[in-house]
Amino acid sequence: QQQVKQSPQSLIVQKGGIPIINCAYENTAFDYFPWYQQFPGKGPALLIAIRPDVSEKKEGRFTISFNKSAKQFSLHIMDSQPGDSATYFCAAIRTGRRALTFGSGTRLQVQP
Amino acid sequence: GAVVSQHPSWVICKSGTSVKIECRSLDFQATTMFWYRQFPKQSLMLMATSNEGSKATYEQGVEKDKFLINHASLTLSTLTVTSAHPEDSSFYICSADAGTSGYNEQFFGPGTRLTVL
Repeated sequence: QQQVKQSPQSLIVQKGGIPIINCAYENTAFDYFPWYQQFPGKGPALLIAIRPDVSEKKEGRFTISFNKSAKQFSLHIMDSQPGDSATYFCAAIRTGRRALTFGSGTRLQVQP
Repeated sequence: GAVVSQHPSWVICKSGTSVKIECRSLDFQATTMFWYRQFPKQSLMLMATSNEGSKATYEQGVEKDKFLINHASLTLSTLTVTSAHPEDSSFYICSADAGTSGYNEQFFGPGTRLTVL
């Protein structure tokens, strides 16, 4: 059972565009939602994370929007750059459990 | 952020041999380490959770006798793939967290690419 569904599978945008990646979760016990960025041949690195008591969090060019009632959250990348080309994973975790549940990933390509 | 290293970064072995992968937390003590497996263009699948000084907890479908995990110290966990076969070829990634309760940020290693011939 896939507990975190992520879309789209891949995304191509022009430099300066705003790619949006969406995730939906099923388990209402999840209470922490991080996003990871992974470059080919490397491990994931934490980008930004949010808790369900806020609807939006912004760090630099990255913004998470969170809709608790819909059980959805999304990542927006402002002014995207070719260096942002990577695979992005959303994840979720609940208090008391130590392991992350990952979405399926989105391969982002930002064209110059 | 904290640094997690993995060794080797890549390994090629013959079918039937065993391969050991090390995961080290370089500047913090990791009470819990996680091992993930990632196939090309796919997500990370949790294999097992290891706590220092105790037996690892394996996810459903992961053969504990095939994927031996040892977490002998607060800075080192090892994954041994025993009697490797071509279907074990994958990208193995570890992560570590320093917390003792609740959720703490996990720091990921750079991964180990295993190719079994």
